[in-house]
Amino acid sequence: DTAVSQTPKYLVTQMGNDKSIKCEQNLGHDTMYWYKQDSKKFLKIMFSYNNKELIINETVPNRFSPKSPDKAHLNLHINSLELGDSAVYFCASSSASGGVFYNEQFFGPGTRLTVL
Amino acid sequence: TQLLEQSPQFLSIQEGENLTVYCNSSSVFSSLQWYRQEPGEGPVLLVTVVTGGEVKKLKRLTFQFGDARKDSSLHITAAQTGDTGLYLCADSNNDMRFGAGTRLTVKP
Repeated sequence: DTAVSQTPKYLVTQMGNDKSIKCEQNLGHDTMYWYKQDSKKFLKIMFSYNNKELIINETVPNRFSPKSPDKAHLNLHINSLELGDSAVYFCASSSASGGVFYNEQFFGPGTRLTVL
Repeated sequence: TQLLEQSPQFLSIQEGENLTVYCNSSSVFSSLQWYRQEPGEGPVLLVTVVTGGEVKKLKRLTFQFGDARKDSSLHITAAQTGDTGLYLCADSNNDMRFGAGTRLTVKP
């Protein structure tokens, strides 16, 4: 059973296009995240959603917008793609249940986005 | 803004050797996590440490949290090729900040 899944695994597109990356988790977690990992492997959080509310929004361009149709899904929409958007994007989830919340992250396999 | 520094940036050793990697913060961690990321995959949580001075063991991996909760170390005994990967530390505060990682290569 896949805990956190992302589609597609690879995405190659032209500059200026609009694209989406989908993420689903079957762990019953209540918080989901999007991260960007650049070519130097630096992992930086972009967004998180808790109970359909955005609780973290780092200084990312507004071309990026997370959309959560339900607790198990957090999709990432990117408009007007730029060369600098090329990176690996990871979805993750965590749970605040049990009264202890250490933000332990369960990551998806990543989506490698290449903008030409 | 809390800065997380990891050292060394790169480490290449022979199978069977021991090694230690470090994570240091400019301020106190709320709690600290270590992750390992293998090529082409997402990071996988190894451990969470919470209490200053805490030591946790996971098979050949020993994690230590500094008394002041501003630093942590990961020691691997008798490294194996399967230990190869990017080791990341993270401050598990609400904004989940990660260090730049230590890239470990274990040669057969």
